[in-house]
Amino acid sequence: GENVEQHPSTLSVQEGDSAVIKCTYSDSASNYFPWYKQELGKGPQLIIDIRSNVGEKKDQRIAVTLNKTAKHFSLHITETQPEDSAVYFCAARAVSGGGADGLTFGKGTHLIIQP
Amino acid sequence: DTAVSQTPKYLVTQMGNDKSIKCEQNLGHDTMYWYKQDSKKFLKIMFSYNNKELIINETVPNRFSPKSPDKAHLNLHINSLELGDSAVYFCASSQGRDRRGYTFGSGTRLTVV
Repeated sequence: GENVEQHPSTLSVQEGDSAVIKCTYSDSASNYFPWYKQELGKGPQLIIDIRSNVGEKKDQRIAVTLNKTAKHFSLHITETQPEDSAVYFCAARAVSGGGADGLTFGKGTHLIIQP
Repeated sequence: DTAVSQTPKYLVTQMGNDKSIKCEQNLGHDTMYWYKQDSKKFLKIMFSYNNKELIINETVPNRFSPKSPDKAHLNLHINSLELGDSAVYFCASSQGRDRRGYTFGSGTRLTVV
């Protein structure tokens, strides 16, 4: 099955600086890679996702890059703000021909934005 | 107008009891899931249901049983609760062949004492 590694486990950056979180996956059949943000006491919320036929995707201050050859993908947050503080999860999934399959998550990164 | 709602939000119970957590989604999604998040924040899938059919059943104890009366609901029943069952349980749903757009509920914090 799929195995997703995520680094770092904790990341502290100054407000206004950029933050980068990296993930690697093991199953070359995986072709969908979402990122989730989880705030304290809440469920994970999808913030951006990328499919394997795209190398990069951007949405305002958030961007995700994917390197299929190396089997790794990264989340980039620019101009960080205090409200970006949360736990971020990467995930991977292989699209099957039928039926349902779940996401395999990384272990999460606790992002701390220092004022 | 909550998309995926779980009840209760908090559940404290004694070892050996049987309890249920309810989940409902109003997104019209055809697949629902249960995830367990442990104290280290690790999220792991437990079950998924697609069109009332159990598709995934990860290596969870058979004390846990999902029940889906219809495609908008997926309830989680837990028998003979143990201390190690304490965790946050999340319900989620998705739609489409590629299962994009997972939407999670806000979680149920289960504490077994």
